[in-house]
Amino acid sequence: DFVLTQSPLSLPVTLGQPASISCRSGQSLVHSDGKTYFNWFQQRPGHSPRRLIYRVSNRDSGVPDRFSGSGSGTDFTLKISKVEAEDVGVYYCMQGTLWPPTFGQGTKVEIK
Amino acid sequence: EVQLVESGGTSVQPGGSLRLSCAASGFTFRESWMNWVRQAPGKGLVWVSFISGDGSRTTYADSVKGRFTISRDNAKNTLYLQMNSLRDEDTAIYYCTRDGDGHFDYWGQGTLVTVSS
Repeated sequence: DFVLTQSPLSLPVTLGQPASISCRSGQSLVHSDGKTYFNWFQQRPGHSPRRLIYRVSNRDSGVPDRFSGSGSGTDFTLKISKVEAEDVGVYYCMQGTLWPPTFGQGTKVEIK
Repeated sequence: EVQLVESGGTSVQPGGSLRLSCAASGFTFRESWMNWVRQAPGKGLVWVSFISGDGSRTTYADSVKGRFTISRDNAKNTLYLQMNSLRDEDTAIYYCTRDGDGHFDYWGQGTLVTVSS
Protein backbone atom coordinates (compact mmCIF):
# COMPACT_ATOMS: atom_id res chain seq x y z
CA ASP A 1 0.00 0.00 0.00
CA PHE A 2 1.12 3.56 -0.64
CA VAL A 3 2.36 5.35 2.45
CA LEU A 4 1.42 8.87 3.48
CA THR A 5 3.76 10.40 6.04
CA GLN A 6 2.37 13.13 8.29
CA SER A 7 4.37 15.53 10.41
CA PRO A 8 4.36 16.39 13.15
CA LEU A 9 2.50 13.54 14.86
CA SER A 10 1.80 15.73 17.87
CA LEU A 11 1.11 19.46 17.67
CA PRO A 12 0.63 21.53 20.83
CA VAL A 13 -0.78 24.91 19.85
CA THR A 14 -1.75 28.14 21.57
CA LEU A 15 -5.32 29.36 21.14
CA GLY A 16 -5.51 32.01 18.45
CA GLN A 17 -2.20 31.01 16.90
CA PRO A 18 -1.72 29.34 13.51
CA ALA A 19 -1.03 25.63 13.05
CA SER A 20 0.27 23.65 10.11
CA ILE A 21 0.35 19.92 9.32
CA SER A 22 2.36 18.38 6.51
CA CYS A 23 1.63 15.20 4.55
CA ARG A 24 4.00 13.62 2.05
CA SER A 25 3.51 10.81 -0.42
CA GLY A 26 6.20 8.65 -1.95
CA GLN A 27 4.51 8.97 -5.33
CA SER A 28 2.72 11.71 -7.19
CA LEU A 29 -0.97 11.86 -6.33
CA VAL A 30 -1.99 13.37 -9.67
CA HIS A 31 -4.46 10.94 -11.23
CA SER A 32 -4.47 10.12 -14.95
CA ASP A 33 -7.63 12.23 -15.20
CA GLY A 34 -5.61 15.26 -14.10
CA LYS A 35 -7.23 15.56 -10.68
CA THR A 36 -5.48 15.04 -7.34
CA TYR A 37 -7.56 12.93 -4.98
CA PHE A 38 -6.16 14.12 -1.67
CA ASN A 39 -8.27 14.94 1.38
CA TRP A 40 -7.96 16.05 4.99
CA PHE A 41 -10.12 14.73 7.83
CA GLN A 42 -10.69 15.86 11.41
CA GLN A 43 -11.60 13.46 14.20
CA ARG A 44 -12.62 15.14 17.44
CA PRO A 45 -12.35 13.04 20.63
CA GLY A 46 -15.15 10.48 20.76
CA HIS A 47 -16.49 11.37 17.31
CA SER A 48 -16.47 9.97 13.80
CA PRO A 49 -14.06 11.43 11.27
CA ARG A 50 -15.28 14.44 9.31
CA ARG A 51 -13.94 15.49 5.94
CA LEU A 52 -12.61 19.05 5.96
CA ILE A 53 -10.84 19.41 2.62
CA TYR A 54 -11.23 17.50 -0.64
CA ARG A 55 -9.06 17.46 -3.75
CA VAL A 56 -6.25 19.33 -2.02
CA SER A 57 -7.85 22.70 -1.40
CA ASN A 58 -11.66 22.57 -1.50
CA ARG A 59 -13.40 23.12 1.83
CA ASP A 60 -16.40 20.94 2.58
CA SER A 61 -19.72 22.57 3.39
CA GLY A 62 -19.82 24.01 6.89
CA VAL A 63 -16.05 23.94 7.40
CA PRO A 64 -14.79 27.24 8.85
CA ASP A 65 -12.60 29.29 6.53
CA ARG A 66 -9.75 29.22 9.06
CA PHE A 67 -9.00 25.77 7.58
CA SER A 68 -7.14 25.70 4.28
CA GLY A 69 -5.42 23.05 2.20
CA SER A 70 -2.62 23.46 -0.29
CA GLY A 71 0.03 21.50 -2.12
CA SER A 72 0.60 19.45 -5.24
CA GLY A 73 2.18 16.24 -6.46
CA THR A 74 3.67 14.68 -3.36
CA ASP A 75 3.60 17.43 -0.72
CA PHE A 76 0.49 18.78 0.94
CA THR A 77 -0.33 21.04 3.89
CA LEU A 78 -3.31 21.72 6.12
CA LYS A 79 -3.29 25.10 7.83
CA ILE A 80 -5.45 26.46 10.62
CA SER A 81 -5.14 30.23 10.61
CA LYS A 82 -6.16 30.77 14.25
CA VAL A 83 -6.67 27.67 16.37
CA GLU A 84 -9.87 27.48 18.42
CA ALA A 85 -10.67 25.12 21.30
CA GLU A 86 -13.03 23.08 19.10
CA ASP A 87 -10.14 22.24 16.75
CA VAL A 88 -8.64 19.79 19.25
CA GLY A 89 -8.48 16.28 17.82
CA VAL A 90 -6.61 14.11 15.35
CA TYR A 91 -6.15 15.16 11.73
CA TYR A 92 -5.62 12.65 8.95
CA CYS A 93 -4.53 13.10 5.38
CA MET A 94 -5.84 10.61 2.84
CA GLN A 95 -5.18 9.78 -0.81
CA GLY A 96 -7.60 8.21 -3.25
CA THR A 97 -5.52 8.51 -6.42
CA LEU A 98 -3.60 5.27 -5.95
CA TRP A 99 -5.41 2.02 -5.07
CA PRO A 100 -6.09 1.18 -2.29
CA PRO A 101 -7.06 4.44 -0.58
CA THR A 102 -4.70 5.13 2.32
CA PHE A 103 -4.56 7.45 5.31
CA GLY A 104 -1.69 9.13 7.07
CA GLN A 105 -0.83 8.15 10.66
CA GLY A 106 -2.70 11.12 12.10
CA THR A 107 -1.57 14.31 13.83
CA LYS A 108 -2.87 15.00 17.32
CA VAL A 109 -3.63 18.67 17.86
CA GLU A 110 -3.91 19.81 21.47
CA ILE A 111 -4.01 23.15 23.25
CA LYS A 112 -0.91 24.18 25.19
CA GLU B 1 -29.61 15.72 5.37
CA VAL B 2 -27.30 12.81 4.66
CA GLN B 3 -27.42 10.16 7.38
CA LEU B 4 -25.52 6.90 7.69
CA VAL B 5 -26.40 4.68 10.64
CA GLU B 6 -24.38 1.55 11.29
CA SER B 7 -25.53 -1.40 13.37
CA GLY B 8 -24.64 -5.01 14.08
CA GLY B 9 -21.41 -4.59 16.01
CA THR B 10 -20.96 -6.83 19.03
CA SER B 11 -18.50 -9.12 20.77
CA VAL B 12 -17.69 -12.35 18.94
CA GLN B 13 -15.19 -15.19 19.38
CA PRO B 14 -12.26 -15.71 17.00
CA GLY B 15 -13.40 -17.67 13.98
CA GLY B 16 -16.93 -16.35 14.29
CA SER B 17 -19.09 -14.39 11.87
CA LEU B 18 -20.96 -11.12 11.97
CA ARG B 19 -22.96 -8.96 9.56
CA LEU B 20 -22.84 -5.20 9.82
CA SER B 21 -25.50 -2.95 8.32
CA CYS B 22 -25.53 0.70 7.35
CA ALA B 23 -28.87 2.43 6.78
CA ALA B 24 -28.58 5.40 4.44
CA SER B 25 -30.91 8.35 3.97
CA GLY B 26 -30.92 11.90 2.62
CA PHE B 27 -29.33 11.11 -0.74
CA THR B 28 -29.82 8.89 -3.80
CA PHE B 29 -28.29 5.71 -2.39
CA ARG B 30 -28.36 3.64 -5.59
CA GLU B 31 -26.18 6.22 -7.35
CA SER B 32 -23.58 6.40 -4.60
CA TRP B 33 -20.41 4.41 -4.23
CA MET B 34 -19.94 3.25 -0.65
CA ASN B 35 -17.10 2.04 1.57
CA TRP B 36 -16.31 0.54 4.94
CA VAL B 37 -13.42 2.02 6.91
CA ARG B 38 -12.27 0.71 10.29
CA GLN B 39 -10.34 2.02 13.25
CA ALA B 40 -8.74 -0.27 15.81
CA PRO B 41 -8.78 1.03 19.42
CA GLY B 42 -6.41 3.98 19.72
CA LYS B 43 -5.21 3.57 16.15
CA GLY B 44 -5.66 5.26 12.78
CA LEU B 45 -8.09 4.85 9.90
CA VAL B 46 -7.89 1.93 7.50
CA TRP B 47 -9.98 1.43 4.37
CA VAL B 48 -11.63 -2.03 4.28
CA SER B 49 -13.91 -2.35 1.26
CA PHE B 50 -15.66 -0.54 -1.61
CA ILE B 51 -18.82 -1.18 -3.63
CA SER B 52 -20.16 0.61 -6.69
CA GLY B 53 -23.67 2.02 -6.88
CA ASP B 54 -25.20 -0.98 -8.63
CA GLY B 55 -23.13 -3.48 -6.66
CA SER B 56 -21.37 -4.82 -9.73
CA ARG B 57 -17.89 -3.79 -8.60
CA THR B 58 -16.35 -4.56 -5.22
CA THR B 59 -12.82 -4.36 -3.85
CA TYR B 60 -11.20 -5.31 -0.55
CA ALA B 61 -8.13 -4.61 1.52
CA ASP B 62 -5.70 -7.54 1.42
CA SER B 63 -6.18 -8.06 5.18
CA VAL B 64 -9.86 -8.99 4.73
CA LYS B 65 -9.95 -10.44 1.21
CA GLY B 66 -11.62 -13.84 1.16
CA ARG B 67 -13.14 -13.34 4.63
CA PHE B 68 -15.32 -10.22 4.27
CA THR B 69 -18.04 -9.56 1.69
CA ILE B 70 -19.54 -6.15 0.97
CA SER B 71 -23.03 -5.92 -0.51
CA ARG B 72 -25.95 -3.56 -0.76
CA ASP B 73 -29.73 -3.57 -1.11
CA ASN B 74 -30.68 -0.46 -3.03
CA ALA B 75 -34.39 -1.10 -2.46
CA LYS B 76 -33.73 -0.84 1.29
CA ASN B 77 -31.05 1.87 1.08
CA THR B 78 -28.78 -0.37 3.11
CA LEU B 79 -25.10 -1.32 2.90
CA TYR B 80 -23.78 -4.54 4.44
CA LEU B 81 -20.49 -6.09 5.48
CA GLN B 82 -20.48 -9.85 6.05
CA MET B 83 -17.48 -10.72 8.20
CA ASN B 84 -16.38 -14.36 8.46
CA SER B 85 -13.41 -16.10 10.09
CA LEU B 86 -12.95 -13.15 12.41
CA ARG B 87 -9.56 -12.60 14.02
CA ASP B 88 -8.40 -10.62 17.05
CA GLU B 89 -6.94 -8.01 14.71
CA ASP B 90 -10.39 -7.31 13.23
CA THR B 91 -11.38 -5.65 16.51
CA ALA B 92 -12.28 -2.08 15.55
CA ILE B 93 -14.96 0.52 15.07
CA TYR B 94 -16.38 0.03 11.59
CA TYR B 95 -17.56 3.13 9.74
CA CYS B 96 -19.78 3.29 6.70
CA THR B 97 -18.71 6.11 4.36
CA ARG B 98 -19.94 7.55 1.08
CA ASP B 99 -17.88 8.53 -1.94
CA GLY B 100 -19.16 11.93 -3.00
CA ASP B 101 -17.15 14.57 -4.86
CA GLY B 102 -14.08 12.57 -3.95
CA HIS B 103 -13.73 10.02 -1.22
CA PHE B 104 -15.45 9.60 2.14
CA ASP B 105 -17.50 12.79 2.25
CA TYR B 106 -19.99 11.48 4.85
CA TRP B 107 -19.43 9.04 7.74
CA GLY B 108 -21.70 7.17 10.08
CA GLN B 109 -21.25 7.08 13.84
CA GLY B 110 -19.57 3.68 13.65
CA THR B 111 -20.27 0.28 15.19
CA LEU B 112 -17.84 -1.55 17.47
CA VAL B 113 -16.76 -5.09 16.68
CA THR B 114 -14.79 -6.90 19.39
CA VAL B 115 -13.18 -10.24 18.58
CA SER B 116 -12.09 -11.98 21.74
CA SER B 117 -12.27 -15.33 23.41
